[in-house]
Amino acid sequence: QVQLQESGPGLVKPSETLSLTCTVSGGSISNFYWSWIRQPPGKGLEWIGYFYNSGSTNYNPSLKSRVTISVDTSKNQFSLKLSSVTAADTAVYYCAKVPPALRSNWFDPWGPGTRVTVSS
Amino acid sequence: DIQMTQSPSSLSASIGDRVTITCRASQSISIYLNWYQQKPGKAPKLLMYAASSLQSGVPSRFSGSGSGTEFTLTISSLQPEDFATYYCQQSYNTPVTFGGGTKVGIK
Repeated sequence: QVQLQESGPGLVKPSETLSLTCTVSGGSISNFYWSWIRQPPGKGLEWIGYFYNSGSTNYNPSLKSRVTISVDTSKNQFSLKLSSVTAADTAVYYCAKVPPALRSNWFDPWGPGTRVTVSS
Repeated sequence: DIQMTQSPSSLSASIGDRVTITCRASQSISIYLNWYQQKPGKAPKLLMYAASSLQSGVPSRFSGSGSGTEFTLTISSLQPEDFATYYCQQSYNTPVTFGGGTKVGIK
């Protein structure tokens, strides 16, 4: 049973880069797609992007210029970097596993989430 | 982007009630529609995938239907643990998009 756990700073200053890591346990990171999703306080869910097991990525166009998702197979981890953050990036950030198939892209399971606040 | 619209945005229901939530897509997404349940302070949990497939471990009182642009999630007999917010999500293409959520509260 795959489990995920997000980690990273809970407070980031405006204009800096948000960096989060998702540690995968109970399965190999090489066999699936991986994704980051975020949820601003009191609001709905926003997809950030995918890392495919081919090594390619797919990002939400609304964030594409600022986002990088990468994988470290040696550590069974994948990471999110979001540059030039503003208060609008304050959210709970979730990582999730995705089946490796076209259009069968549901998110299961999810990590418990990590709250990131952007503030000076 | 494909817009996902859920209705209602909130509802109040009693234990044992049948509850139906609707999700509409701005264009056809075939059956590529997934449903999640989220409780306060917790991560979303996958309930249904591909419109009508029940995720392993999810009670059979949950069911999903639809194709194209209109989908429904039905709870046949609402239980105390079902009070939560429900989200639909399309996986037909990227960017992946979610509905705005339906909060199911206690009447």
